Amino acid sequence: EDKVVQSPLSLVVHEGDTVTLNCSYEVTNFRSLLWYKQEKKAPTFLFMLTSSGIEKKSGRLSSILDKKELFSILNITATQTGDSAVYLCAVEAYAGGTSYGKLTFGQGTILTVHP
Amino acid sequence: EAGVAQSPRYKIIEKRQSVAFWCNPISGHATLYWYQQILGQGPKLLIQFQNNGVVDDSQLPKDRFSAERLKGVDSTLKIQPAKLEDSAVYLCASSSVTDPRYQETQYFGPGTRLLVL
Repeated sequence: EDKVVQSPLSLVVHEGDTVTLNCSYEVTNFRSLLWYKQEKKAPTFLFMLTSSGIEKKSGRLSSILDKKELFSILNITATQTGDSAVYLCAVEAYAGGTSYGKLTFGQGTILTVHP
Repeated sequence: EAGVAQSPRYKIIEKRQSVAFWCNPISGHATLYWYQQILGQGPKLLIQFQNNGVVDDSQLPKDRFSAERLKGVDSTLKIQPAKLEDSAVYLCASSSVTDPRYQETQYFGPGTRLLVL
């Protein structure tokens, strides 16, 4: 059974701090790893990673994948109160012979940023 | 472009009652997904449609849950009868690329929050 584990489960920091969120996985037929941000509504897409060692960046957020060690990290620098949310990691696997991606999510990391 | 629409946003029912949720995906998106997200957990895939055909329903509790996408656009998810443990947020998502050579990104709707008393 595919498995995705995130750590820490929760994190409390102050504005300006840098945080690192972790995601490890065990998946058969790995296709990609995705990061989502979820506030009190639908998850919103942040990054999709398919290749090891290539960092993806968007403003203060960046992420990298290690396919050998089966993990990914999400970094947020100079955190702001608006970064407070649940950060979800999901792994996409090929679903049998159809090759349509099936997402398995981790339990999420709750990030709270205080002013 | 308009996002994924879901209704209702909230629903409170008693156990053993029935409930239905509706989803309208982003226009032109052929793939539609229903997820269940229990409080404190990540979303869990219930069923995936490609147009109006089912691709994966291995985690759908078929004794009480059913879903359909008759015309390959809108979809409904039904629970009959509901149990206390069905209390969760039900998320609908859609994606646009059907060719498996390309990566897909799933876009999520706002969800329906169900409370079973």
